[in-house]
Amino acid sequence: DTGVSQDPRHKITKRGQNVTFRCDPISEHNRLYWYRQTLGQGPEFLTYFQNEAQLEKSRLLSDRFSAERPKGSFSTLEIQRTEQGDSAMYLCASSLDRTGGGNQPQHFGDGTRLSIL
Amino acid sequence: DAKTTQPPSMDCAEGRAANLPCNHSTISGNEYVYWYRQIHSQGPQYIIHGLKNNETNEMASLIITEDRKSSTLILPHATLRDTAVYYCIVRVTNAGKSTFGDGTTLTVKP
Repeated sequence: DTGVSQDPRHKITKRGQNVTFRCDPISEHNRLYWYRQTLGQGPEFLTYFQNEAQLEKSRLLSDRFSAERPKGSFSTLEIQRTEQGDSAMYLCASSLDRTGGGNQPQHFGDGTRLSIL
Repeated sequence: DAKTTQPPSMDCAEGRAANLPCNHSTISGNEYVYWYRQIHSQGPQYIIHGLKNNETNEMASLIITEDRKSSTLILPHATLRDTAVYYCIVRVTNAGKSTFGDGTTLTVKP
């Protein structure tokens, strides 16, 4: 079990630029989640995938945000035209959803810290 | 998902048991109680979860009251490395998102 991997760990960019983050889930996990966390707050849900299907999106996910999981394995989160308020830690998590198999925990990566100048 | 209430901070002496409470008075019958912790600059780490019965693993024990309206996470012999923010969340079976509050900052002191 190599855990959830996120890349890059840190990203600094100027306001108005586009950024893309990558998440590699635990290999057999079919669910993948994105969260955002600002300083002193708990993580806030953004969206999640079951295999390649995006099943739920939070109202926090504005039109400038898009997430994909094209082959049901890794996922990318893109932010277009970044704003100061996008500065946060972006966390990815994965879990194994077994039909009728009860409740499985989410396992988190160590996040990508985004700083907007 | 039901909301949870946790004290903002707690202290514990090294080697002693740390008992972290969580209130979830509006929990539904199909919602599990999960505990995670987050050490600075890392992602949340799963600790334990349960539905009705008490649970124990190598990290901690989870005690859920009979009415399921509250729970306690017990770290039996706290170490300095247990200093972290501890989150209690409730989550519907096979739901997507987890709803985190602000957690309890546990400080283990020598």
